[in-house]
Amino acid sequence: DGGITQSPKYLFRKEGQNVTLSCEQNLNHDAMYWYRQDPGQGLRLIYYSQIVNDFQKGDIAEGYSVSREKKESFPLTVTSAQKNPTAFYLCASTSGLALGTDTQYFGPGTRLTVL
Amino acid sequence: SQQGEEDPQALSIQEGENATMNCSYKTSINNLQWYRQNSGRGLVHLILIRSNEREKHSGRLRVTLDTSKKSSSLLITASRAADTASYFCAFMDSNYQLIWGAGTKLIIKP
Repeated sequence: DGGITQSPKYLFRKEGQNVTLSCEQNLNHDAMYWYRQDPGQGLRLIYYSQIVNDFQKGDIAEGYSVSREKKESFPLTVTSAQKNPTAFYLCASTSGLALGTDTQYFGPGTRLTVL
Repeated sequence: SQQGEEDPQALSIQEGENATMNCSYKTSINNLQWYRQNSGRGLVHLILIRSNEREKHSGRLRVTLDTSKKSSSLLITASRAADTASYFCAFMDSNYQLIWGAGTKLIIKP
């Protein structure tokens, strides 16, 4: 089955720790995205990548970092610099190279809780 | 960046009734998309309507777009319990950024 997988589903972190969220897709999509979702709000873009070895900051990139070493993989690291990291994190991908030109396919999400 | 505005925030109706959700935006758009999210899950794309289109159908879903009023609506006809979910609009602005609304939480009562 083609799709996007995210792991883990639930993640707990102590304050001051960095954690990395995994996102893998086998859709052969060029573009990948990371969003943060908080209760009662729409999705906010953290980072996106249109091709391998290239990525761009979204609206709320502070305290986060990403890498795009392989087309299939776009891991997100939540650093200790992120002041309020507890949230639901969603990874998505699109086939087109131009940002937002077609529909987004989403993974199941990772719920991060800071203890 | 701005968010789209959706109303109502929550909607509860009886199974079999129609459900209408609205989305408004403030800038010019290339397209507007509607997504569905079951509780605690990822989003699933429903319909994309381009700025030069006024109406689009997909099964029991009907989406309209009024660019003069900068608004869109999603109509779900003959609702079912399985339609219970949150529905999000997302519009692509002139910079090809996808801007998301805060969502409408739909509850279908059996």
